[in-house]
Amino acid sequence: GAVVSQHPSRVICKSGTSVKIECRSLDFQATTMFWYRQFPKQSLMLMATSNEGSKATYEQGVEKDKFLINHASLTLSTLTVTSAHPEDSSFYICSARDGRGAQETQYFGPGTRLLVL
Amino acid sequence: AQKITQTQPGMFVQEKEAVTLDCTYDTSDPSYGLFWYKQPSSGEMIFLIYQGSYDQQNATEGRYSLNFQKARKSANLVISASQLGDSAMYFCAPTGTGRRALTFGSGTRLQVQP
Repeated sequence: GAVVSQHPSRVICKSGTSVKIECRSLDFQATTMFWYRQFPKQSLMLMATSNEGSKATYEQGVEKDKFLINHASLTLSTLTVTSAHPEDSSFYICSARDGRGAQETQYFGPGTRLLVL
Repeated sequence: AQKITQTQPGMFVQEKEAVTLDCTYDTSDPSYGLFWYKQPSSGEMIFLIYQGSYDQQNATEGRYSLNFQKARKSANLVISASQLGDSAMYFCAPTGTGRRALTFGSGTRLQVQP
């Protein structure tokens, strides 16, 4: 299957700082990428849809000014958690939609574990 | 809105035996797809298998197969010849027309016992 990388894999930061997470599709172009968040023992919840060359679409309840998304190229989307607080500690995982096949499978990055102290 | 139900929070299976993980969904989309993903303890989401709502045959992919019953809106995952490495969380995720993001069920934690 297609490969999606995500960096960093783990980050610990102080409250109030900003953290940037990168998501790259390595062997295909992705006009659409998705950002999910997963709290312990819970399912993945969609945060936002990242569209190349246009503004991201945020799910209800997700603050766009807190979770900044930039999709500047067909292979890179970034999520910046601004002024992070302990309640933002979570597992963040991105996916990229591979439109080459009929089923348009979404391939996921390995995820980023964020711990805000 | 789509609703996904995975009724089994946890399942145990003996190594080399088959196991079925349940998934039912509620969608009004005339055309949709169903994905199954595996999430081991490392956290990565691994794509396993896909079923299109208009596919004539149940999808199969190696040891994975789908028992797709469209009228019942169920798409159960069957894992044959379970291996210890199959121990993980398994998520069902339908997707529909116009909605490209995935909505995940609550997941089933499968534990394969030697």
